[in-house]
Amino acid sequence: TQLLEQSPQFLSIQEGENLTVYCNSSSVFSSLQWYRQEPGEGPVLLVTVVTGGEVKKLKRLTFQFGDARKDSSLHITAAQPGDTGLYLCAGNTGTASKLTFGTGTRLQVTL
Amino acid sequence: NAGVMQNPRHLVRRRGQEARLRCSPMKGHSHVYWYRQLPEEGLKFMVYLQKENIIDESGMPKERFSAEFPKEGPSILRIQQVVRGDSAAYFCASSPGPLGLTNTEAFFGQGTRLTVV
Repeated sequence: TQLLEQSPQFLSIQEGENLTVYCNSSSVFSSLQWYRQEPGEGPVLLVTVVTGGEVKKLKRLTFQFGDARKDSSLHITAAQPGDTGLYLCAGNTGTASKLTFGTGTRLQVTL
Repeated sequence: NAGVMQNPRHLVRRRGQEARLRCSPMKGHSHVYWYRQLPEEGLKFMVYLQKENIIDESGMPKERFSAEFPKEGPSILRIQQVVRGDSAAYFCASSPGPLGLTNTEAFFGQGTRLTVV
């Protein structure tokens, strides 16, 4: 069973601060996706990374896929209250058509 | 272009009743996945279906749970004789092709929150 561990589990920061969320596994993934989920809603896809070492930027969010395709990180610059939510990484090994989700990082950004 | 539609959004059932959760995938998507999320936890895979076929049900409990994706109509997740432990949020996702293919992405619905009383 593939396991995706996210850290930290909880993060409470003030507006304007920077933060990084990590997603680690002992398994190799053919692709990895990051989602954000707000209370009472479904996960919303933020980005997909497929190439080892790949870096993708989405406004203030920077996503990186590890060279060995076993880990990923999400960096948020100058966090805003609108960034508050549950951040989930999810990987696909390429051999099974399903996503394995990480344990989640709950982010709260306060004024 | 509507996204993945799930209904009902909220469902309350008494112990022993049946729960039926519906999922209409995005237009053009023929691959459907069901996930369960317990409070304060991540999403756990249950089942993957393609039109009229169950491809992977490795995450489905052996008893009381079943899923289908008929040729016409939405995918249905059915839970018979519900128990309190079935209370959770159930999410459906769809994709245009198998997730093993590069750059194939899954999009999620808003979920059905099942409460068993």
